[in-house]
Amino acid sequence: ETGVTQSPTHLIKTRGQQVTLRCSSQSGHNTVSWYQQALGQGPQFIFQYYREEENGRGNFPPRFSGLQFPNYSSELNVNALELDDSALYLCASSLMGLAGGSTDTQYFGPGTRLTVL
Amino acid sequence: GQQLNQSPQSMFIQEGEDVSMNCTSSSIFNTWLWYKQDPGEGPVLLIALYKAGELTSNGRLTAQFGITRKDSFLNISASIPSDVGIYFCAGRGSGTYKYIFGTGTRLKVLA
Repeated sequence: ETGVTQSPTHLIKTRGQQVTLRCSSQSGHNTVSWYQQALGQGPQFIFQYYREEENGRGNFPPRFSGLQFPNYSSELNVNALELDDSALYLCASSLMGLAGGSTDTQYFGPGTRLTVL
Repeated sequence: GQQLNQSPQSMFIQEGEDVSMNCTSSSIFNTWLWYKQDPGEGPVLLIALYKAGELTSNGRLTAQFGITRKDSFLNISASIPSDVGIYFCAGRGSGTYKYIFGTGTRLKVLA
């Protein structure tokens, strides 16, 4: 048990719809990273949030956006869903130090399985 | 998207055998992490490595941060059926918060 929780567990949407996925970070952690994992692939970095701001972004279009709240929980929003967005969406929490350093150790939640029809 | 090369892609082994797998990168990394993922679940952290040459153990698992900083290795000794799963490496370079994951090694243990 990492203490990282995600909701919902599963979700089915149709093309063009919008979706919001949620993540609660591990107690004591202040940073959340989101990943997309397609079937048979390793996780791909979407973006990271620290102190309620986006701290880095992978090669994903702007229709992937996020939020981090004062309690360090986070949301991933995807607009205009496409079939290729079907994947397991993972969030990982970690602790970023005040000096910008990090423990570098990310702990993952169980993921949200998104299916786009 | 960018992924690290993991080898082997998959392997079948007999219970009790030792297992070795590796991960290579074209870039230098400052941190290597090794995860195990069971079907439909999130990756679980096994070992974290922070320094070139570092050798770290976690029970029957041992991982090493390659001296070139472009590779890492994971060994599992005396494998048991619950070792079945997909093992991922992840690396992070300097000046970035982004982790790049490997393609995964699928391990199957024959009792």
